[in-house]
Amino acid sequence: QSVLTQPPSVSGAPGQRVTISCTGSSSNTGAGHDVHWYQHLPGTAPKLFIYGNSNRPSGVPDRFSGSKSGTSASLAITGLQAEDEADYYCQSYDNSLSGWVFGGGTKLTVL
Amino acid sequence: QVQLQESGPGLVKPSETLSLTCTVSGGSISSYYWSWIRQSPGKGLEWIGYIYYTGSTKYNPSLKSRVTILVDTSKNQFSLKLGSVTAADTAVYYCARPKWGDGGWFDPWGPGTPVTVSS
Repeated sequence: QSVLTQPPSVSGAPGQRVTISCTGSSSNTGAGHDVHWYQHLPGTAPKLFIYGNSNRPSGVPDRFSGSKSGTSASLAITGLQAEDEADYYCQSYDNSLSGWVFGGGTKLTVL
Repeated sequence: QVQLQESGPGLVKPSETLSLTCTVSGGSISSYYWSWIRQSPGKGLEWIGYIYYTGSTKYNPSLKSRVTILVDTSKNQFSLKLGSVTAADTAVYYCARPKWGDGGWFDPWGPGTPVTVSS
């Protein structure tokens, strides 16, 4: 059971918009800690896609955006493309653990 | 640009010690924190612990009694030792660089190395 809760899977057709939710608690996201998102393709290094709730590293398409409100955060992907098919993980910091916590991951399928 | 690469045995016997090394290239290991993270089959990511280049460490309480993370600045490497392993420690192990010692994101990551605990 992961500390941050994500839906196991989401799907959408090419060109559509999908969102992935990430819900934490008062000891992590609700305590004001930022949420960060990673794209993970099997057999490769997870790649930082969103940091500080809504910031995109250089090279990440602007089709990807992040937001956070209270204990929840979301990753939105617009203009879905086949290359977006991957696992996405959210991550934050937890005061009770005094360490980093992750979501269970969401598998994005492009139909 | 900094790159990380994990290395070590892919098979460890139950009750023995898992030992992995992360080699940092393209930059110095100094002035940064360095972390180990794992992903067990079918499960999410789990933070194991971190080490600062000075040698100070912090571990996940759930693993603290079995984990040691060391740094070798002369080789630009840091390592993970996990003792008394069981099948539950079978996972892909990643090394990564956290932004800060008390928060932030991880970037970059290594590609990961799979470790199986089995006799």
